[in-house]
Amino acid sequence: SQKIEQNSEALNIQEGKTATLTCNYTNYSPAYLQWYRQDPGRGPVFLLLIRENEKEKRKERLKVTFDTTLKQSLFHITASQPADSATYLCALGEETGANNLFFGTGTRLTVIP
Amino acid sequence: ETGVTQTPRHLVMGMTNKKSLKCEQHLGHNAMYWYKQSAKKPLELMFVYNFKEQTENNSVPSRFSPECPNSSHLFLHLHTLQPEDSALYLCASSPPGRSNEKLFFGSGTQLSVL
Repeated sequence: SQKIEQNSEALNIQEGKTATLTCNYTNYSPAYLQWYRQDPGRGPVFLLLIRENEKEKRKERLKVTFDTTLKQSLFHITASQPADSATYLCALGEETGANNLFFGTGTRLTVIP
Repeated sequence: ETGVTQTPRHLVMGMTNKKSLKCEQHLGHNAMYWYKQSAKKPLELMFVYNFKEQTENNSVPSRFSPECPNSSHLFLHLHTLQPEDSALYLCASSPPGRSNEKLFFGSGTQLSVL
């Protein structure tokens, strides 16, 4: 069966450290993978997209890697801040332009001051 | 703000009520979506509209009825819902071209069915 697993439901880290979140998938052939941030009571907000032929993408303090052999994406937040506390969702798209994105259940990150 | 507005933010309804959720965007996007988010479950796609035409119905029960009068507005009409339909209902839109590669979500309607 198809599965998207995000490493843990909750992750606590100390301010200033690097947070690493994991997204593993089974029985999908993603053309791209996205990461979203969701704050309580709000909708997800798009952060980054990485395509199957890309190994790494960066945006400010964010870095995403995509390993189609391991069927895994890693999402890193460097120099984490309490304001980074939120739930982070990964989502897979199987073909460019197709309407369905398949989401993981998310990891709730808490950055402790 | 993402530019996608949903109303109401919260809704409590009985199983015999009829209510509607509203979503609007003025971003020039041509695709609009309804998603359901239940606690500890992934977002579930419900419906997709492209240029006002429904292109996806993800086996959603008929007690949920979408309407898309134009590319900027999307409604979800609700009737005879069940308590298990209680969830956060999210509207999203995406720009023309690679339509699914960046979704803009509204803040959602938190629905409670009593």
